[in-house]
Amino acid sequence: DADVTQTPRNRITKTGKRIMLECSQTKGHDRMYWYRQDPGLGLQLIYYSFDVKDINKGEISDGYSVSRQAQAKFSLSLESAIPNQTALYFCATSDLRQPDQPQHFGDGTRLSIL
Amino acid sequence: GQQLNQSPQSMFIQEGEDVSMNCTSSSIFNTWLWYKQDPGEGPVLLIALYKAGELTSNGRLTAQFGITRKDSFLNISASIPSDVGIYFCAGQLYTGNQFYFGTGTSLTVIP
Repeated sequence: DADVTQTPRNRITKTGKRIMLECSQTKGHDRMYWYRQDPGLGLQLIYYSFDVKDINKGEISDGYSVSRQAQAKFSLSLESAIPNQTALYFCATSDLRQPDQPQHFGDGTRLSIL
Repeated sequence: GQQLNQSPQSMFIQEGEDVSMNCTSSSIFNTWLWYKQDPGEGPVLLIALYKAGELTSNGRLTAQFGITRKDSFLNISASIPSDVGIYFCAGQLYTGNQFYFGTGTSLTVIP
C-alpha cells in the first residue's frame, strides 16, 4: 500500500460544485501539505498543517479550504469550483521531528472543472 | 512567495548523453532537494543537499549545493530511456520553513 494515498485519482465536475479531495497517510508524519500543479509550473503550496490543531495558508489559498480530521487525514475542499482550478493536486507529508527532511508525495488527483 | 528559476525548461537528448540542469534563487536557502516526477505520479525524491558546496551522488545522478547557497545543479550521466520525466528542484529558506519548488525541467531521452 502507498504511504500517502489520495482519493479520488481523477475527477470531472461542473462549475459551482463543491468538491472534496482526500489524503491519508500511514507514515506517522505530523506535517501535511496540499499543492497544486499546473502545466509548465512548479508546485504551488495551497495549505499546510503541522498538527491536528494547526492550519496555515500557503501561497495560493484563495478559493480553497482544508480540514485536518486526524493526524493521518488532511482534506482539501473547493467550496464553489471554477474552471481555473482545473489542475493536478498533490498531498505531501513530512516528519515534524526532522523539519529539514524532504516531503513525501501522493500520486495526485487530476481535477477538471467544466 | 519565493521564485526558483529552473533551466532549461525542456531537454531532448540521445540515449547515453550526459544531462545538466540548474536551479537559481534570489534568496539564500539552507536546503536543496531534487525530485523526479513520472507521468501520472507524484514527485519522488532523488537527492537532498544540506550544506553549501556539498556534492552528493545517487547512482548516475550527482547534485551540488552551490557555494552562494542561491543555486543548485543536477547532472545525469549516461542517460537511459527511463530517465524521462520532469525534474524539480526545491529549496527551504530555513529549517522548518516550507519548501519552494522550481518550475521543472522536462527531459526526453531518444533511444
